[in-house]
Amino acid sequence: EAGVTQFPSHSVIEKGQTVTLRCDPISGHDNLYWYRRVMGKEIKFLLHFVKESKQDESGMPNNRFLAERTGGTYSTLKVQPAELEDSGVYFCASSQEFTLPDTQYFGPGTRLTVL
Amino acid sequence: AQTVTQSQPEMSVQEAETVTLSCTYDTSENNYYLFWYKQPPSRQMILVIRQEAYKQQNATENRFSVNFQKAAKSFSLKISDSQLGDTAMYFCACTLSYNQGGKLIFGQGTELSVKP
Repeated sequence: EAGVTQFPSHSVIEKGQTVTLRCDPISGHDNLYWYRRVMGKEIKFLLHFVKESKQDESGMPNNRFLAERTGGTYSTLKVQPAELEDSGVYFCASSQEFTLPDTQYFGPGTRLTVL
Repeated sequence: AQTVTQSQPEMSVQEAETVTLSCTYDTSENNYYLFWYKQPPSRQMILVIRQEAYKQQNATENRFSVNFQKAAKSFSLKISDSQLGDTAMYFCACTLSYNQGGKLIFGQGTELSVKP
């Protein structure tokens, strides 16, 4: 069974540019989460999808961040325009169950550097 | 609001010895779950162990065990017979039960080095 995959693994962009991160969850997992780790600090929750619906987007820092999950499969996280403080590692995770806190399986992360 | 604190940014241990990583948390909820995740260098984060708050018995997974003190809101991880492959960043995390979506609240992480 394939694990959670993320693309790209690294991205270096200039301030003001746009970047789109992609996450492919484990097949059959309805829950998809985005997290971010900035500057060696704690990993912080960004948002949670159940299938194609946004269940909780309380962690999204501002309206420069847009997440989608069309068709309830893969998800994209777009940052537009990128700022210096957006640099960090963006993790995606997926899990199967909704009514119970199921184990979340993490992707390898995308390291974003904004210059 | 929930918070998770790991007060040890870095730790080291000799191979085959035992090491304990500390984690404290704060929540006003009664039902929650606690986790330890590890992220080896340049590899994906994986679950090490999980503990349901309603269970008094401490969880164990082979060489990994926890000391869960609910009243003290403490959740430490003990690694016995440390192996070189245990070298990783370890994250403590907490999530609420039921209908909360299961989002994880993480601590700052502890970087563990196992030395030969």
